[in-house]
Amino acid sequence: EADIYQTPRYLVIGTGKKITLECSQTMGHDKMYWYQQDPGMELHLIHYSYGVNSTEKGDLSSESTVSRIRTEHFPLTLESARPSHTSQYLCASSPNEGLDEKLFFGSGTQLSVL
Amino acid sequence: DQQVKQNSPSLSVQEGRISILNCDYTNSMFDYFLWYKKYPAEGPTFLISISSIKDKNEDGRFTVFLNKSAKHLSLHIVPSQPGDSAVYFCAARSGGGADGLTFGKGTHLIIQP
Repeated sequence: EADIYQTPRYLVIGTGKKITLECSQTMGHDKMYWYQQDPGMELHLIHYSYGVNSTEKGDLSSESTVSRIRTEHFPLTLESARPSHTSQYLCASSPNEGLDEKLFFGSGTQLSVL
Repeated sequence: DQQVKQNSPSLSVQEGRISILNCDYTNSMFDYFLWYKKYPAEGPTFLISISSIKDKNEDGRFTVFLNKSAKHLSLHIVPSQPGDSAVYFCAARSGGGADGLTFGKGTHLIIQP
């Protein structure tokens, strides 16, 4: 099992603020992902990384940005938060195990932008 | 264009009975399927998976069935227990793990005493 941590768990913030959602994993996984999920909806991939200095945009367009300077750390940043960014943000990682690999998720950050 | 569909937003089952959660997919390139369980305000946790070369995989009370010709899979939980009450997401992947997983909208399973 992967140990993957997200902070903060909950964040309420005003419009226009810059925020960074933290995600760290201790298992040395190369692959890391950010998903966004609204209640009753599917998880949408917004960013992923295959390793240090590798970042790609996912299927869902997002105004957020990510960085991968260290293997264990994959933070997500919103330069100017808006109410439309209110959502749950889920970070995940996976080992490079080929066809039967699975994603391990953190507990998520519930973001509310007022 | 939803590639993974869970058409039942919710399902209520009595404790001790069988719970059957269904999932349909449209992308014939999917070769690996997973079920995740999610409690409110927590991240999804992996439950069970199946490769497209199999039609059944069993793990304790959980069994996943895959019907490739119908592009349909189902998760059976028997017997259902109160702790099984959660949202269950069906997910699929194609091509060896590229670009993460494609998820359905989830089915909220409620186990009634």
